[in-house]
Amino acid sequence: EVQLVESGGGLVQPGGSLRLSCAASGFTFSSYWMSWVRQAPGKGLEWVANIKQDGSEKYYVDSVKGRFTISRDNAKNSLYLQMNSLRAEDTAVYYCARDFLKYSYSPWGQGTLVTVSS
Amino acid sequence: QSALTQPASVSGSPGQSITISCTGTSSDVGGYNYVSWYQQHPGKAPKLMIYDVSNRPSGVSNRFSGSKSGNTASLTISGLQAEDEADYYCSSYTSSSSWVFGGGTKLTVL
Repeated sequence: EVQLVESGGGLVQPGGSLRLSCAASGFTFSSYWMSWVRQAPGKGLEWVANIKQDGSEKYYVDSVKGRFTISRDNAKNSLYLQMNSLRAEDTAVYYCARDFLKYSYSPWGQGTLVTVSS
Repeated sequence: QSALTQPASVSGSPGQSITISCTGTSSDVGGYNYVSWYQQHPGKAPKLMIYDVSNRPSGVSNRFSGSKSGNTASLTISGLQAEDEADYYCSSYTSSSSWVFGGGTKLTVL
C-alpha cells in the first residue's frame, strides 16, 4: 500500500524555523516527483514546492522563495521541507503528495499542522 | 499567481447532477490540459478525482467527469449521492512551472 506520513509540525514563534519530514512507503520513491501543499485553517489548498526525482530541480511558490527549502533523501525514502523565517501566514496543515502522471497529485499524506504564533 | 476562481458553494438533491466551474487564465487553465480536481472531506486529505482535464484515476466513480473550454474547466457529478458531500478543488499547472489551486467549492447534498 502506498503511504505518505508527515511529521515535524508544531508551534513555533514568528521568525523561527521548523523542518517537516514525509516518510514514503509502498512505492519506488526515487521514481517520482514529490510536492508539499498546504492548507491554512478553514482555507483552500496552496501548492508550496516540488522536487524532481534526483533533486536536481526544485520549484517554489513565490511567497516562500528564499525561506523554504525542499529536499529529499532517496536512500531513506524521505521528503523534507526546511522552513525558516516563519510568519503567521505560514500557519497551515502541510501535506506531502506524490506526483501522479506528472501534473496531478496522488496520494496525499494525512498532513502535519504548523502553527506560527507568539 | 492568483488562485483559480470557483463558486463558494453548490448544492443538489440525491440523483441530480451538478457542475462546478473553475476559471483561470491563458497562463494556466487555458494554456494547458493539466487541470485536476480533488475531493476533500472534513478533516481528511484531498483525493484526486480527475486529472488532465477529463481523465479518472482507477477506482473513481464514472459519475465524476471533467471538461474544459477556454480558460474555464468544469467538474460534473451525476447521480448525486450523500457521500459526494465534500469540498472540491481544481488545480492547474501554470506557465511559471508551478501549480495553482482554486479557492474550493463546498458541495451540499440536500
